[in-house]
Amino acid sequence: GAGVSQSPRYKVAKRGQDVALRCDPISGHVSLFWYQQALGQGPEFLTYFQNEAQLDKSGLPSDRFFAERPEGSVSTLKIQRTQQEDSAVYLCASSFSNTEAFFGQGTRLTVV
Amino acid sequence: LAKTTQPISMDSYEGQEVNITCSHNNIATNDYITWYQQFPSQGPRFIIQGYKTKVTNEVASLFIPADRKSSTLSLPRVSLSDTAVYYCLVEGGSQGNLIFGKGTKLSVKP
Repeated sequence: GAGVSQSPRYKVAKRGQDVALRCDPISGHVSLFWYQQALGQGPEFLTYFQNEAQLDKSGLPSDRFFAERPEGSVSTLKIQRTQQEDSAVYLCASSFSNTEAFFGQGTRLTVV
Repeated sequence: LAKTTQPISMDSYEGQEVNITCSHNNIATNDYITWYQQFPSQGPRFIIQGYKTKVTNEVASLFIPADRKSSTLSLPRVSLSDTAVYYCLVEGGSQGNLIFGKGTKLSVKP
């Protein structure tokens, strides 16, 4: 597809369960970003990749959160032992340069 | 990283021009100013980006004064479909991470 694709669109997890969220960026885009957006709030930065290198992970809220982009294309955000406070929309964005970033529609995670 | 401040909400009517101002007092020399629009249940969408003076595209204009400590997004003749949250970002060319604030919720009424 032409845009950033995220899957699944919706995920319900039981507290304590591990989840993996996938992001397919636009082909050729070097930069990839992950954000967490709570209801009524702006997107909160989680982590940033340039190709396969994770250059900034300062926004990851705890060591339960882990992101990877092993081949510089598809990225996975993994959350271990999910907690209720992890419930949010997780957004992925990609860009070719530091100009326009293209966002996916997000994955809505609900932890019950 | 430069912090941005913008109004929490604004109301307007169809056909009016809307101006949303963002303050970024600590903007750095290599920072650009970028605005995004977000509709419910969608990811943010790029609107416009500028460095100084004025930038115009098919959907908006961006006015940046000489000191670059603020910027104003101008939406001409808004319609109901422009109801959304608008975010102002200040981003360095090589920093990578895009930092969003709380945004301005624009409500356009008929």
